[in-house]
Amino acid sequence: DGGITQSPKYLFRKEGQNVTLSCEQNLNHDAMYWYRQDPGQGLRLIYYSQIVNDFQKGDIAEGYSVSREKKESFPLTVTSAQKNPTAFYLCASSTPGVGRHYGYTFGSGTRLTVV
Amino acid sequence: SQQGEEDPQALSIQEGENATMNCSYKTSINNLQWYRQNSGRGLVHLILIRSNEREKHSGRLRVTLDTSKKSSSLLITASRAADTASYFCATRANNDMRFGAGTRLTVKP
Repeated sequence: DGGITQSPKYLFRKEGQNVTLSCEQNLNHDAMYWYRQDPGQGLRLIYYSQIVNDFQKGDIAEGYSVSREKKESFPLTVTSAQKNPTAFYLCASSTPGVGRHYGYTFGSGTRLTVV
Repeated sequence: SQQGEEDPQALSIQEGENATMNCSYKTSINNLQWYRQNSGRGLVHLILIRSNEREKHSGRLRVTLDTSKKSSSLLITASRAADTASYFCATRANNDMRFGAGTRLTVKP
């Protein structure tokens, strides 16, 4: 079955440490997105990528980095520069351009906690 | 920045009743979408309505869109306990989507 897989489900980060969240999709979608969700709040866009080897900053990109070397993969690195990284991180994918009237498919999320 | 704002923030009803959630947004859109999120899980796409459509149905869901008022509503008819979740509206303007803070729906059996 096609879908998006996020791993790990839970992640603990020590102060000053970089961590990478994995997002893999087998839906053949061109566009992929990373969102951050804080308790009781909506989703805020971190980064998005419309095509391989290209990505754009979202509203809260500071302290995060991404890469898009393969169509299927869009990993997110939470760097030590992100001062408040504890949150629920969601990855999504969709068909851009002429497919802009399609919905997003989401992964099941990674819960990151700073210890 | 968040585009959509849902109202109410929380809604509690009895099983069998209808649930109505509203969404307001600020800028021109290509379409508006509604998503559902069960606690601690990812979002699931429910329904999409294009900017040139006024109403759309899918099973027990009915969505309306008023572009002149920049608002939408989601109606869930004959609610079930399994409908308990958070519901988000999302607006797509160009290459990305903006989500509201959601309405937390509780359906009591």
